[in-house]
Amino acid sequence: NAGVTQTPKFQVLKTGQSMTLQCAQDMNHEYMSWYRQDPGMGLRLIHYSVGAGITDQGEVPNGYNVSRSTTEDFPLRLLSAAPSQTSVYFCASSYFEGAGEQYFGPGTRLTVT
Amino acid sequence: QQQVKQSPQSLIVQKGGIPIINCAYENTAFDYFPWYQQFPGKGPALLIAIRPDVSEKKEGRFTISFNKSAKQFSLHIMDSQPGDSATYFCAASMYSGGGADGLTFGKGTHLIIQP
Repeated sequence: NAGVTQTPKFQVLKTGQSMTLQCAQDMNHEYMSWYRQDPGMGLRLIHYSVGAGITDQGEVPNGYNVSRSTTEDFPLRLLSAAPSQTSVYFCASSYFEGAGEQYFGPGTRLTVT
Repeated sequence: QQQVKQSPQSLIVQKGGIPIINCAYENTAFDYFPWYQQFPGKGPALLIAIRPDVSEKKEGRFTISFNKSAKQFSLHIMDSQPGDSATYFCAASMYSGGGADGLTFGKGTHLIIQP
């Protein structure tokens, strides 16, 4: 199993540009989520999904959209990038009942200039 | 409002010592308390976790101590090694509710084990 994969690994955007961060998992996990990690802030939940077709907002959802058309994929869209969205983004997945036991991807480091 | 407070922010321990990282939570609905270990350039990885029905859990050199009445839990690393140098995050979630709200993380502790 590849586990949780994320692409790209690094990305530089200009303010106002849009992009999609990709996340996929091959463990048949129902629960998937996106976190952002900022220095001294820990990890904060952006959006999550408890299954295909179902998504909900986390702690810091503004400026991001998600969709879940399949069990495997959970892309994160930045609609109009802002410097405040410079961060490292992690996708995670788990079996729904064990949503606390999450498996994290390797991360995408995004810089917005 | 920070629901999980973690301390210290950074910690330096000599090899063989016992680093201790502490966390306190506010939400009494939390019922699952994992610790994650993160190496530079990598995603966090689950290290050990505890439910509030036990006061201590050991896995190898790692031990979680849990004090439900004080709403505190801590990670101890026995016989620490330089390879344990990493950032450690405590977290909490409502496991029994499916944990749909995800994990609430502490801000992390940067641990260095000196040879």
